[in-house]
Amino acid sequence: AQKVTQAQTEISVVEKEDVTLDCVYETRDTTYYLFWYKQPPSGELVFLIRRNSFDEQNEISGRYSWNFQKSTSSFNFTITASQVVDSAVYFCALSEARRGYQKVTFGTGTKLQVIP
Amino acid sequence: DSGVTQTPKHLITATGQRVTLRCSPRSGDLSVYWYQQSLDQGLQFLIQYYNGEERAKGNILERFSAQQFPDLHSELNLSSLELGDSALYFCASSPRTSGRSDTQYFGPGTRLTVL
Repeated sequence: AQKVTQAQTEISVVEKEDVTLDCVYETRDTTYYLFWYKQPPSGELVFLIRRNSFDEQNEISGRYSWNFQKSTSSFNFTITASQVVDSAVYFCALSEARRGYQKVTFGTGTKLQVIP
Repeated sequence: DSGVTQTPKHLITATGQRVTLRCSPRSGDLSVYWYQQSLDQGLQFLIQYYNGEERAKGNILERFSAQQFPDLHSELNLSSLELGDSALYFCASSPRTSGRSDTQYFGPGTRLTVL
């Protein structure tokens, strides 16, 4: 069975600090996809990134960067120079394909609070 | 804006009642997924439809049912409501049915409060 663990329940940082959100996953599949979603206080779930299991290159998008390490089954998310608008709950998710349907498992989320 | 729409945004009802939540997927998406987000259970997958057919069931109660119509919009019906059904219900859509690479785009959610 697939599993996603986000051990950090809540993190507080002061604005402009860097912060890393951890994500560890378990799967038996050799091909899978990993995602990060952001849920701001307004409640909607916003897609941030998708990464496939064959691409271990780190990705950077502005202040956001992702470190995928297959050897440790981790897909960590770093926010550089955090801002108050980054305050949200962040979810890591794992997608596997099954016959006829897509199965996505979400972690329990990490609540990030950025203090001005 | 993800392109997925959900109505209503908020719903307040009483125990024992029945409600219907509505979702319109992104243009061109054939798969619709329903999730329940509660404080104690996190994000739980309920059910998936693809082009009108049910494809997968998760932790969906027997009191809950869903369907996807020919125009691809979907409805989630919740009946005999209990206090514990109070939650945020999300709809998501993706282009295909079993593409592991598909990204699910989420709607804004419907917040259901059962009093």
